[in-house]
Amino acid sequence: EVQLVESGGGLVQPGGSLRLSCAASGFTFSSYEMNWVRQAPGKGLEWVSYISDSGSATHYADSMKGRFTISRDNAKNFLYLQMNSLRAEDTAVYYCAKDSGGWSLDWGQGTLVTVSS
Amino acid sequence: QSALTQPRSVSGSPGQSVTISCTGTTSDVGRYDYVSWYQQHPGKAPKRVIHDVSERPSGVPDRFSGSKSGNTASLTISGLQAEDEADYYCCSYAGRYTLVFGGGTKLTVL
Repeated sequence: EVQLVESGGGLVQPGGSLRLSCAASGFTFSSYEMNWVRQAPGKGLEWVSYISDSGSATHYADSMKGRFTISRDNAKNFLYLQMNSLRAEDTAVYYCAKDSGGWSLDWGQGTLVTVSS
Repeated sequence: QSALTQPRSVSGSPGQSVTISCTGTTSDVGRYDYVSWYQQHPGKAPKRVIHDVSERPSGVPDRFSGSKSGNTASLTISGLQAEDEADYYCCSYAGRYTLVFGGGTKLTVL
């Protein structure tokens, strides 16, 4: 059974940084592309970032470019999202999501990031 | 990266059918057969119910079906049940390793 467990969320001040982690199990992590998707309170889903199975290719939504960095450790079965220069509008639940073919996603339970002073 | 357009809400009575539309552009829905749909109950993570426009993952009831015509994809839920009440989001591959989501549709089972 695919399991994705996010951690690292919390309260951070504007301009601050946070690193999210996602522990993957139940599948061969190194064989799958991964994504981060977020959902602001009461709002819809927003794609954040993509990383290839090897980690050699990464892509970001325009509003995150230069501030967020996606990475992975295939030896430890972990996905990461380093978030810098955080803004109030980055407040959201952040989901780790596994590509399950045809650019469709299977999701973790999410971790809440709150950016506020 | 503009969001796909979905109706904000739809409703239906138990046993009826409802269809949720998802309109994109020639750069996403119209170009790729990589449309997926997700069901999200309050406080829960999204769950994949359709992928590749019309394919159902294992365990998803065959009451859920998907289709696409031009720049518009659709999710149809037949034989509505109370547990189908949820938010539904469409998603399309938009090229260059990016994804775009719809704004979400709240399904109410009357």
